[in-house]
Amino acid sequence: GAVVSQHPSRVICKSGTSVKIECRSLDFQATTMFWYRQFPKQSLMLMATSNEGSKATYEQGVEKDKFLINHASLTLSTLTVTSAHPEDSSFYICSAEKRTGGANVLTFGAGSRLTVL
Amino acid sequence: DAKTTQPPSMDCAEGRAANLPCNHSTISGNEYVYWYRQIHSQGPQYIIHGLKNNETNEMASLIITEDRKSSTLILPHATLRDTAVYYCIVRDNTDKLIFGTGTRLQVFP
Repeated sequence: GAVVSQHPSRVICKSGTSVKIECRSLDFQATTMFWYRQFPKQSLMLMATSNEGSKATYEQGVEKDKFLINHASLTLSTLTVTSAHPEDSSFYICSAEKRTGGANVLTFGAGSRLTVL
Repeated sequence: DAKTTQPPSMDCAEGRAANLPCNHSTISGNEYVYWYRQIHSQGPQYIIHGLKNNETNEMASLIITEDRKSSTLILPHATLRDTAVYYCIVRDNTDKLIFGTGTRLQVFP
């Protein structure tokens, strides 16, 4: 199987501080990982594509200086929310891509719920 | 934008088959159909994927029409734990995985 671990599952921080979320592929290597954000009662919104060894590709409207993504190894990508504000409170979910039977299947982490006070 | 359309909600009695439809009329030849589900406050869970042929695994069956413009996910014996939002997504191996609004399946006793 393919397992993706995401940490922390919940985090509460004060406004103005930075928070780092880790995403690890435990039993496979992932050249590409994706970061999503989900607000209550809404679908997942893609924030950025994280590529090992290169800069992340951000979706339109996502501030790259606010949401720093690092993908330094084939099993780890991190998302840092810098100078967090209450409007950044959300459910952040990562996923890692694995080749499966000709298709690239994404396995998702359990998500990280960020609350900014 | 999502390339699929799904009914917003469906109900199913426990123990019965749940058939979830998905329209993807603009699908191209190299795009796969993927199904995921999301149980409240959890990350999406992969269910199944297919290209042309029908597929079956331990979780579900995927029936793809011959013209590939629609598909149906079948949960053969729904349980209460199958209550979730089900997402049908089409993408090729270079595309991003874009989620639509999905179908909220409610399994009732």
